[in-house]
Amino acid sequence: SYELTQPPSVSVSPGQTAVIPCSGDNLDDRYTSWYQQRPGQSPVLLIFQDTERPSGIPARFSASNSGGTATLTISMTQPIDEADYYCQVRVNSPPAVVFGGGTKLTVL
Amino acid sequence: QIILRGSGPTLLKPTETLTLTCAFSGFSLTSSAVGVGWIRQPPGKALEWLALIYWDGDKRFSPSLKDRLSVSADNSQRQVVLTLIDVDSVDTATYFCAHFTYPYPGSEAFDSWGQGVLVTVSS
Repeated sequence: SYELTQPPSVSVSPGQTAVIPCSGDNLDDRYTSWYQQRPGQSPVLLIFQDTERPSGIPARFSASNSGGTATLTISMTQPIDEADYYCQVRVNSPPAVVFGGGTKLTVL
Repeated sequence: QIILRGSGPTLLKPTETLTLTCAFSGFSLTSSAVGVGWIRQPPGKALEWLALIYWDGDKRFSPSLKDRLSVSADNSQRQVVLTLIDVDSVDTATYFCAHFTYPYPGSEAFDSWGQGVLVTVSS
């Protein structure tokens, strides 16, 4: 079955840039989405179709997808960005939605 | 504004059947290129996808759970129902329903989520 791999944790200082990778086979052939989940809350869609931001998502959040790795970049990181971040794709064989294992972002 | 609200039992015994309802508003499940998905999250663990039901009635299930899962939709009642049979303690999780769109094949993204229902399976 298809798997997406994320580092369990990433740390960043306030005001710096956080980079969260997500790797998978032929990932650049698939559309990747990214979600933020704060403790005790439901996930929120940050990025869809690799690079697109829904309305209301700050421009500090951006993403790319190339070379088998999708990357979420958070610029000017703030304490409020402390959360778990998940990547997600849709695969066809067998038909399924796959989430990465999640990355806990610590802002310290 | 799209809103989804999940509801169902919070405590089940092993071997029982879990039935969860997702009541939605702000969209029609007969509109092209939309659907409702179910995702769960065991305490302290990652998100796990369970099922999709598309606007045209098509359904997809997690390969590891497909023999235990079913999903149905009633657009007139604005609800989607997920059923998981023969539950066990490993099914203890928060269960989310979520609206998704897919402008292109394979682009499914969950853009609105319900609040989640914590279901505990214990004897």
